[in-house]
Amino acid sequence: EVQLQQSGPEVGRPGSSVKISCKASGYTFTDYVMNWVKQSPGQGLEWIGWIDPEYGSTDYAEKFKKKATLTADTSSSTAYIQLSSLTSEDTATYFCARYTTDYYYFDYWGQGVMVTVSS
Amino acid sequence: DIQMTQTPSSMPASLGERVTISCRVSQGISNYLNWYQQKPDGTIKPLIYYTSNLQSGVPSRFSGSGSGTDYSLTISSLEPEDFAMYYCQQYDSSWTFGGGTKLELK
Repeated sequence: EVQLQQSGPEVGRPGSSVKISCKASGYTFTDYVMNWVKQSPGQGLEWIGWIDPEYGSTDYAEKFKKKATLTADTSSSTAYIQLSSLTSEDTATYFCARYTTDYYYFDYWGQGVMVTVSS
Repeated sequence: DIQMTQTPSSMPASLGERVTISCRVSQGISNYLNWYQQKPDGTIKPLIYYTSNLQSGVPSRFSGSGSGTDYSLTISSLEPEDFAMYYCQQYDSSWTFGGGTKLELK
């Protein structure tokens, strides 16, 4: 059974960074690209970017190029997103989602991680 | 960038009712249009991919259609577990989501 298990809620101070994880199981981690999606409180979904764990290649939505850094550890089948220079605009739930190249959709999602930026 | 307009933003409906949610994109996307359901606990799952393909395990009361710039998700007969948020998503070198539709019990 494919599962994407994300880490617990985070609180970050303005100007600091947070790093959240997404541990994959039930499939070969390097066979699928991992995406990250942001959901601000009471709002819709925004695509942040993707990482190909096999090659470490990444792509980001323009809006997140200076905000997010995606990495992956193949030894532990875990994808990470680091959010830097935190502001109140970064308070949101962040989802990881596996992407299938067959039809360009996200077939499995993590449960989401709430990040709160507060002093 | 491709813009997506999802309507309605909220929809009161009754059990057993047939409902349709629409998604209009600003330019043709070759049918790379997907639909997702988000439950109140936050969990998200795919329903329909590539316009009309039913994701494995999703009940057949869900269906998708469309082409070019206009797409829709139809639920033929609402069940209690269907009251949730629904999002369309397009792919055209990157992904964009619609604003969402909240399906509420009337």
